[in-house]
Amino acid sequence: KAGVTQTPRYLIKTRGQQVTLSCSPISGHRSVSWYQQTPGQGLQFLFEYFSETQRNKGNFPGRFSGRQFSNSRSEMNVSTLELGDSALYLCASSLAGQSFTDTQYFGPGTRLTVL
Amino acid sequence: AQSVTQLDSHVSVSEGTPVLLRCNYSSSYSPSLFWYVQHPNKGLQLLLKYTSAATLVKGINGFEAEFKKSETSFHLTKPSAHMSDAAEYFCVVSDERRSQGNLIFGKGTKLSVKP
Repeated sequence: KAGVTQTPRYLIKTRGQQVTLSCSPISGHRSVSWYQQTPGQGLQFLFEYFSETQRNKGNFPGRFSGRQFSNSRSEMNVSTLELGDSALYLCASSLAGQSFTDTQYFGPGTRLTVL
Repeated sequence: AQSVTQLDSHVSVSEGTPVLLRCNYSSSYSPSLFWYVQHPNKGLQLLLKYTSAATLVKGINGFEAEFKKSETSFHLTKPSAHMSDAAEYFCVVSDERRSQGNLIFGKGTKLSVKP
């Protein structure tokens, strides 16, 4: 079974631009979560989608948004990029996400650099 | 509220010697606990998972962890380190209240393996 895939793997943008990242979960998985990883803050939860609905959201500004499609693929968008948005963005999928014991499987991440 | 504390930010061992990465957790309920590993510029890979079954959990690549409720610990061990074990390791607790998403991450422990 293919793992979680994320595209693109690397992105370079300038301040003020916007960016869209894509995540394809493992086949059959319906829950997709997004995390931001930086050296200073570590891994921080952005949001979770399940059945095309945002089920949970972390403490990030409204510039960070996401969506999930009927095939469970998910995208996240960051508008008006700031230097501090430079990070590794990780996507994780799990089967149903109903239980907090579900295992989350992570993709390789998208490395975003904002200049 | 749940939290995870990884007691060492960096551990250095020699190849062939035992590995011990320490993790303490705080949870109001019976937690699910995970260890993930991240190699440089890669996503997170699940090493092992505890979900209230056997307290000694065996994972991939010879790693294991023991859940000790009385000590609120979930330390990761390996009898003999290999050069390929050099990576960053994250202790993770599930968030039954989902207030921070599904998973709460420790700050990580970087493992160095000397030849």
